[in-house]
Amino acid sequence: SQQGEEDPQALSIQEGENATMNCSYKTSINNLQWYRQNSGRGLVHLILIRSNEREKHSGRLRVTLDTSKKSSSLLITASRAADTASYFCATDENNAGNMLTFGGGTRLMVKP
Amino acid sequence: EAEVAQSPRYKITEKSQAVAFWCDPISGHATLYWYRQILGQGPELLVQFQDESVVDDSQLPKDRFSAERLKGVDSTLKIQPAELGDSAMYLCASSLALEETQYFGPGTRLLVL
Repeated sequence: SQQGEEDPQALSIQEGENATMNCSYKTSINNLQWYRQNSGRGLVHLILIRSNEREKHSGRLRVTLDTSKKSSSLLITASRAADTASYFCATDENNAGNMLTFGGGTRLMVKP
Repeated sequence: EAEVAQSPRYKITEKSQAVAFWCDPISGHATLYWYRQILGQGPELLVQFQDESVVDDSQLPKDRFSAERLKGVDSTLKIQPAELGDSAMYLCASSLALEETQYFGPGTRLLVL
């Protein structure tokens, strides 16, 4: 079963614009992670935010976490055509031993 | 940069046949995971190994699926017999230890006819 739900399911923007994706989850977590998947390929780890953190940055990525609302957002600034991919949030639930539960993903298309 | 290796990359089989997928984790990674990803959905964990021991296989359909990691290094996932609904991407991931970042392989795309 999938814990997370991503919103929107699909997003289309122009190169240079910012892209925001949201993730909601249901249970208490140790951390939340974001992954990128290019079409038909494996997943690439982007960023991990722990339950005691509220915001984290990595290059053009900004992730926020609100544990009271059980939600997270991923912001990609100054998007590029190469950012076109599916983005998944995954939660590491308390006492789950690093077993990740993935959401359904947001399919991002960045038009040149 | 070290990567998780998987083979084959693509597999087409007929229903009721047996299929097997292989995964070689990043050297030194003690934890290995098998996920199944149906088209348009996120990955779902099937089984997790810590060295050669199964940590969790609660989502593995044990009537037809089996997984092993005999020497605590590479791993094999088998389906026998395959069913139409098994068509999916099978992803392997590894991490240095529990609660460490998981690194994914390129996956094996299975089509059951």
